Amino acid sequence: GAGVSQSPSNKVTEKGKDVELRCDPISGHTALYWYRQSLGQGLEFLIYFQGNSAPDKSGLPSDRFSAERTGGSVSTLTIQRTQQEDSAVYLCASSWGGAGVTTGELFFGEGSRLTVL
Amino acid sequence: AQSVSQHNHHVILSEAASLELGCNYSYGGTVNLFWYVQYPGQHLQLLLKYFSGDPLVKGIKGFEAEFIKSKFSFNLRKPSVQWSDTAEYFCAAKTSNTGKLIFGQGTTLQVKP
Repeated sequence: GAGVSQSPSNKVTEKGKDVELRCDPISGHTALYWYRQSLGQGLEFLIYFQGNSAPDKSGLPSDRFSAERTGGSVSTLTIQRTQQEDSAVYLCASSWGGAGVTTGELFFGEGSRLTVL
Repeated sequence: AQSVSQHNHHVILSEAASLELGCNYSYGGTVNLFWYVQYPGQHLQLLLKYFSGDPLVKGIKGFEAEFIKSKFSFNLRKPSVQWSDTAEYFCAAKTSNTGKLIFGQGTTLQVKP
């Protein structure tokens, strides 16, 4: 597609439920990023992929968070047993990359707003 | 640990005033630096970037930023702001040999007409 697509745009769930957030990057972009944006917290790095592998997943807050990318394209961020503090906007971005690094010029999606009741 | 810090969380200016937003990073080695902007209701987009060469870089909409290596800074400037510059501004950094891009906390700029 023309831009980075994320779904769902809004998700309301009950505490303890699992959620899946999906990101469809710009075609041909090899790097894919997940960030979390909370009020007053800026953008918190979660994980990034180069192709299907994740060179750095140090930002995942706990083992309840996981992410995968298949076919060098679509990525899914899964949050198990959601907690109220997981409420935030989850942003996906993609970028050109090569030789193990990226240009750092990210193209962002609109985000998935997660509310945990 | 690698980090990016922005000094101002909320800035209020009148139109035509000059703008400077501070950004400091704590990285070793060669660093790539960026400013991103998020206008109300829109997604984040790149404003300008520094990879190497001239430390004064120019971006879109009249913005510029200066890389000062000795101060670990990459401050954003604009000589005369407009109401349409109201947005949230994020500084970001990465080392040249990795793809991990770290963002600062963001600065909300409000320009009064």
